[in-house]
Amino acid sequence: QSVLTQPPSVSAAPGQRVTISCSGRTSNIGNNYVSWYRQLPRTAPKLLIFENNRRPSGIPDRFSGSKSGTSATLGITGLQTGDEADYYCATWDAGLSAVVFGGGTKVTVL
Amino acid sequence: EVQLVQSGPEVKRPGATVKISCSASGYTFTDYSIHWVRQAPGKGLEWMGLLDPANGERIYAEKFRGRVTITADASTDTAYMEVTSLTSDDRAVYYCATSSGGISVPTFNYWGQGSLVTVSS
Repeated sequence: QSVLTQPPSVSAAPGQRVTISCSGRTSNIGNNYVSWYRQLPRTAPKLLIFENNRRPSGIPDRFSGSKSGTSATLGITGLQTGDEADYYCATWDAGLSAVVFGGGTKVTVL
Repeated sequence: EVQLVQSGPEVKRPGATVKISCSASGYTFTDYSIHWVRQAPGKGLEWMGLLDPANGERIYAEKFRGRVTITADASTDTAYMEVTSLTSDDRAVYYCATSSGGISVPTFNYWGQGSLVTVSS
């Protein structure tokens, strides 16, 4: 059972938009920055979004992040077959004094 | 170019200890904290702990306190993670990752390639 809750899977057709939610509580998302990662099969995760809504250099603006209260959202527009992967949110939990991850969301391109 | 190169796969008996290395290059070793994250087969990411090479601060996930030790050798820009009393539940790929944010701002900007640990009798 992960501290942060993500939907197990989302899907959409190529070119469409998907959003992935990440729900937590005040001790984690509510008072800390959220980052997002993409993990392709059999590879290490890759940073997509940091500090809620900032993109590292090289990450296209098809990827966006937002946060409201104790929830965060990753958006992917112009969905491509190469976006099929697992996506994870992460943040700091002050109550646990630990980094916590969401359980991961598998994105399928129909 | 920043690189984190981890040691190779390990096969250990139950009850044994494993020590994984993470050799960093392409940046100043003390600029980023080093974190360890594991992933059991078919499962999600699990944070284990961190070391800040700048001041030696260590924080461990409660689940791993007393069983995991993270160290670093600044002379070789290498971090290590040792896990004792291995069980079959410890079978996983173990990743090291740097974080460019502060302790409470996990921003895993670079990752190692992962080290597979298998625990089998």
